[in-house]
Amino acid sequence: GQQLNQSPQSMFIQEGEDVSMNCTSSSIFNTWLWYKQDPGEGPVLLIALYKAGELTSNGRLTAQFGITRKDSFLNISASIPSDVGIYFCAGTTGANSKLTFGKGITLSVRP
Amino acid sequence: DAGITQSPRYKITETGRQVTLMCHQTWSHSYMFWYRQDLGHGLRLIYYSAAADITDKGEVPDGYVVSRSKTENFPLTLESATRSQTSVYFCASRAQENSPLHFGNGTRLTVT
Repeated sequence: GQQLNQSPQSMFIQEGEDVSMNCTSSSIFNTWLWYKQDPGEGPVLLIALYKAGELTSNGRLTAQFGITRKDSFLNISASIPSDVGIYFCAGTTGANSKLTFGKGITLSVRP
Repeated sequence: DAGITQSPRYKITETGRQVTLMCHQTWSHSYMFWYRQDLGHGLRLIYYSAAADITDKGEVPDGYVVSRSKTENFPLTLESATRSQTSVYFCASRAQENSPLHFGNGTRLTVT
């Protein structure tokens, strides 16, 4: 089945730094989504990507849908303490309505 | 705009008991989903529904039952709870295929 790979499991950065997260797969995906989960809450959608090569920004966040359709990345610029959380990538293959999730990356930001 | 709400937020139950987790959405979204979240496994799909009266198994359906008699509700029942079902359960919905999922705030279930 389709799998999405996110690594490392945890990242530690200094406040003000930029950080980049990758999501890769051996399968082709038709949509890529990035979610953030704060402690005790459900994941919240950050950015949705629908076309290969698409580059989309949401404030300090930028995400791209890889040209091969097998990967996506999320960049966070000038990190702040509230960026702490778990970042999930997710995607659909279009063959069904199920969304496949990566295992998430836990981001810590040191003040 | 209530969105998607789950109840209860926390539940402790004993092995062998039946327990139902509720999910209600106010958007009239066609699709609804149940996921469980466990350390090391991320989010795993239990069941999903494409419309009222249509449900289908996800990745980890064993031990769970769902129903969708109304578009806005998608309850998840553990017929005989086991300790391995201790988890955080998230309900989600979306308007149509390939549109983004919107999640509830989760139910933390502990089976003793």
